[in-house]
Amino acid sequence: EAQVTQNPRYLITVTGKKLTVTCSQNMNHEYMSWYRQDPGLGLRQIYYSMNVEVTDKGDVPEGYKVSRKEKRNFPLILESPSPNQTSLYFCASRGTIQAGTTYEQYFGPGTRLTVT
Amino acid sequence: GQQLNQSPQSMFIQEGEDVSMNCTSSSIFNTWLWYKQDPGEGPVLLIALYKAGELTSNGRLTAQFGITRKDSFLNISASIPSDVGIYFCAGRSYNTDKLIFGTGTRLQVFP
Repeated sequence: EAQVTQNPRYLITVTGKKLTVTCSQNMNHEYMSWYRQDPGLGLRQIYYSMNVEVTDKGDVPEGYKVSRKEKRNFPLILESPSPNQTSLYFCASRGTIQAGTTYEQYFGPGTRLTVT
Repeated sequence: GQQLNQSPQSMFIQEGEDVSMNCTSSSIFNTWLWYKQDPGEGPVLLIALYKAGELTSNGRLTAQFGITRKDSFLNISASIPSDVGIYFCAGRSYNTDKLIFGTGTRLQVFP
């Protein structure tokens, strides 16, 4: 089954304690992204990657890091989480027409993060 | 960060009615997308538009890519209770994976 998986689905942590949210896709997609969703603000892109070892900042990259060492994985790293990073996070992936897969973004189920 | 203006913010309609929502941007986009999000789930793609002026349908849903490339609309005909959810538009510029989302339209359908 084609899917994007995220772990953990729920996380409560304290300010300053480094954490990583993993994202994995099984569709051989080139593009992967991270978004955060906050009430009244919709979804905002944090980082995106157009291929292995290629990452770019989205609209709200401050306080986050990403890496793309393998095509299937795109972890989101919060080196020193703060309360304003409490949010619902989504990972997404998409392929290219040449790959024969759906061109547009598949979203993961979301990770709800609370930083106290 | 940049956001799209999406309206209306919310809609309360009766089952069977038609629905229309739209998005406008100050920037030109090469792709317009419409998503639906149910509670506790990630957004699911409804319609993708790639050409200015393009009109595309998906069942009872119809979306158009504005001729100026700065707007798009989504229509839902003969609404049913399972149409309830939040609808988002999103725009993307050429040769990038940077996607800008609208703030969403919350749809409630009453029997």
